[in-house]
Amino acid sequence: RKEVEQDPGPFNVPEGATVAFNCTYSNSASQSFFWYRQDCRKEPKLLMSVYSSGNEDGRFTAQLNRASQYISLLIRDSKLSDSATYLCVVNNDNSGYALNFGKGTSLLVTP
Amino acid sequence: GAGVSQTPSNKVTEKGKYVELRCDPISGHTALYWYRQSLGQGPEFLIYFQGTGAADDSGLPNDRFFAVRPEGSVSTLKIQRTERGDSAVYLCASSSGGVTDTQYFGPGTRLTVL
Repeated sequence: RKEVEQDPGPFNVPEGATVAFNCTYSNSASQSFFWYRQDCRKEPKLLMSVYSSGNEDGRFTAQLNRASQYISLLIRDSKLSDSATYLCVVNNDNSGYALNFGKGTSLLVTP
Repeated sequence: GAGVSQTPSNKVTEKGKYVELRCDPISGHTALYWYRQSLGQGPEFLIYFQGTGAADDSGLPNDRFFAVRPEGSVSTLKIQRTERGDSAVYLCASSSGGVTDTQYFGPGTRLTVL
């Protein structure tokens, strides 16, 4: 079983829609959580860190539920430029530095 | 400032050959990481350097893979006797060195083993 599981999608949504991605992780000792964005044939880039209290960055909201080992990302008012793969990322519990990535969820925002 | 750079951007080789992939981290970053991303998968951790030493090489798949960072800056990932299954994008990342510091990724080297 992979440490980080995500629905690969694709999610096809119209501009302006709200879309939510979910992710589960298996290791309860994991300490740090992130969402990365990856455009086609490009490198992953940090979108936002995820905190237990939940955090928001503009149209993006991330939530962490440690009890359920569940992470979510909500995108409001989707833009065409949001089309990308969203990677759920959890740190390696032993070392705290190696990142464990999910397979990614593909989002396509259409006009 | 300049980000992480990787060369070559693409490498095509034949099964059994030796390849070297280079990573130039962000200036001043003490931590350097190598990941491998196969088609349709997320990146998988290979090795982590703090300064010149490999602090954790537990992700290297077998002894055909080796990485060095002799002066604590540029790193080279070396793959001996390449196999078709080694075909992937090899990503390098660097960070300021703290365990929770943001890792910044380079554009990757796309390796194709024929």
